[in-house]
Amino acid sequence: EAGVTQFPSHSVIEKGQTVTLRCDPISGHDNLYWYRRVMGKEIKFLLHFVKESKQDESGMPNNRFLAERTGGTYSTLKVQPAELEDSGVYFCASSQAWYSYNEQFFGPGTRLTVL
Amino acid sequence: AQSVTQPDIHITVSEGASLELRCNYSYGATPYLFWYVQSPGQGLQLLLKYFSGDTLVQGIKGFEAEFKRSQSSFNLRKPSVHWSDAAEYFCAVVRSGGGADGLTFGKGTHLIIQP
Repeated sequence: EAGVTQFPSHSVIEKGQTVTLRCDPISGHDNLYWYRRVMGKEIKFLLHFVKESKQDESGMPNNRFLAERTGGTYSTLKVQPAELEDSGVYFCASSQAWYSYNEQFFGPGTRLTVL
Repeated sequence: AQSVTQPDIHITVSEGASLELRCNYSYGATPYLFWYVQSPGQGLQLLLKYFSGDTLVQGIKGFEAEFKRSQSSFNLRKPSVHWSDAAEYFCAVVRSGGGADGLTFGKGTHLIIQP
């Protein structure tokens, strides 16, 4: 069974540009999470989808970040316009049922560098 | 809100020696606790988890962790480390204390193995 995949693995963009990160969760997983790790800091929760609905987006840093989950399958995280402080590694994770805790499986991350 | 503290940023251990990585959490009730490991270029992999019951939990790769409520700790241990254990280790707690919510992570501990 395929794990969580993320695309691209690396992205280098100029300040002010737009970048879209993609996450494909494990098939059949209701929950999808986005996290971010800025260099030297802890991994921080951004948001949580249950199927196609945003369950918790309290960790989103500001309105330059927009997350979507089409049809409850893959998810995209768009940063527009990107700022220097957005640089970091963005992780996606997925887990099975929404009604109880199940192990979160993580993707390898997308390393975003904003110049 | 929950918080997780990993006081050691780096730990160096000789191959074959025992290991203990420290984790302290802040939460009123008994939280769901986890240890994850990230090897270079890989996503986070779950080593073990604690929800309730026996306070000594066994995980993969020969790791174990002990939940101590009185000390608000969940330290990770291994009796004899191997060079392949060199990685970054993260302690985490479910944000709300339970359910399918996102995770709050500590800052991570880099484990370096000396030959």
